[in-house]
Amino acid sequence: DAGITQSPRYKITETGRQVTLMCHQTWSHSYMFWYRQDLGHGLRLIYYSAAADITDKGEVPDGYVVSRSKTENFPLTLESATRSQTSVYFCASSEQGAFNEQFFGPGTRLTVL
Amino acid sequence: GENVEQHPSTLSVQEGDSAVIKCTYSDSASNYFPWYKQELGKRPQLIIDIRSNVGEKKDQRIAVTLNKTAKHFSLHITETQPEDSAVYFCAASSSASKIIFGSGTRLSIRP
Repeated sequence: DAGITQSPRYKITETGRQVTLMCHQTWSHSYMFWYRQDLGHGLRLIYYSAAADITDKGEVPDGYVVSRSKTENFPLTLESATRSQTSVYFCASSEQGAFNEQFFGPGTRLTVL
Repeated sequence: GENVEQHPSTLSVQEGDSAVIKCTYSDSASNYFPWYKQELGKRPQLIIDIRSNVGEKKDQRIAVTLNKTAKHFSLHITETQPEDSAVYFCAASSSASKIIFGSGTRLSIRP
């Protein structure tokens, strides 16, 4: 679905490096979310944003930073990557938030060596 | 903290049989319960959802039931087909900014 995209799709980095994952949506949805997906844990919410310039922590925010200067973009930054941040990261958007359907991006597989 | 428990973690059924996946939640303020399907290597996609003022919802071969008193909800798939093979996630949400997902059920359909 071209409505929400993520880049890069695959990324390999080293411990201690800064990494930014990009998320872009074309629907002008108010809410955007970042999740990480690990075996045995399902999807865990890292950060969310209710609108441009409004962001807040989710379930597992430590080690991550977000910003949202424009409605359509919601980048996620790992300031100093650790091996435990090796995961698949999904961005999602929703017009009315978590109590309505969320539309997920294709995911970014991140490996931290 | 709040959590959602999902069982079983893996499920294998014969094609044409029914499959049932169960979830329990701890946050009594939860009022929205979606189910997402994730095919191998793909993104999660919503297949059905239910709100707390409804006890059951159906969409063709898929149905979801909710028991708010017991804090559990279930996904029922009837007449399973090979394309139903995927990982299914339940979730519980209590607000626009809060949602907890279950750990997923890998459903396999045997021919």
